[in-house]
Amino acid sequence: QLLLQESGPGLVKPSETLSLTCTVSGGSISSSSFYWAWIRQPPGKGLEYIGSLYSGGNTYYTPSLKSRVSTSVDTSKNQFSLNLTSVTAADTAVYFCARARQSYSSSWFETWGQGTLVTVSS
Amino acid sequence: DIQMTQSPSSLSASVGDRVTITCRASQSISTYLNWYQQKPGKAPKVLIYVASSLQSGVPSRFSGSGSGTDFTLTISSLQPEDFATYYCQQSYNIPWTFGQGTKVEIE
Repeated sequence: QLLLQESGPGLVKPSETLSLTCTVSGGSISSSSFYWAWIRQPPGKGLEYIGSLYSGGNTYYTPSLKSRVSTSVDTSKNQFSLNLTSVTAADTAVYFCARARQSYSSSWFETWGQGTLVTVSS
Repeated sequence: DIQMTQSPSSLSASVGDRVTITCRASQSISTYLNWYQQKPGKAPKVLIYVASSLQSGVPSRFSGSGSGTDFTLTISSLQPEDFATYYCQQSYNIPWTFGQGTKVEIE
């Protein structure tokens, strides 16, 4: 059974960098036909796609966050990571990592981590 | 970005009711449309992918239809465990985008 688990600080100061890691167990992060993604949800609000990375190295980010976001994969640890720079209170959210299956020329978020709340506050 | 608009934003229904939620895309997305269910404090769970394919393990009372810009999620007979928020999501273009959600509440 594939499991994803987010980890990282729950509190980040304004203007600093938010860094999260997603640990994958029960499957290899190098598997083909999958994207590894980050999605966030501000308290009481809807879901926002942040970005995704393919095991082959391609990365995709939502334009509104592209200048502040980076992602990476550590295949030796079966982990992938998110960095979001220059955070503000608007970045306060539950952050989810997810695996997106790619098939029929489409993709869907098939497996999710439980989510981790990150609060931006001084 | 492709905008996804769900209606209604919320609804009240009773156990056994047939429930329909609509999702409209700001441009044609073929059938690149997925549906998720989210319960409070939990991660979303995929119900339907590619507009009408039922995810393994999801009860058959859930069904999806549509193509182009207009899509529907139907729950044929609402069960107590179905009270949740439902989101549509397009995977036609990156950035993948979600609808604002439809909260299904007990009447």
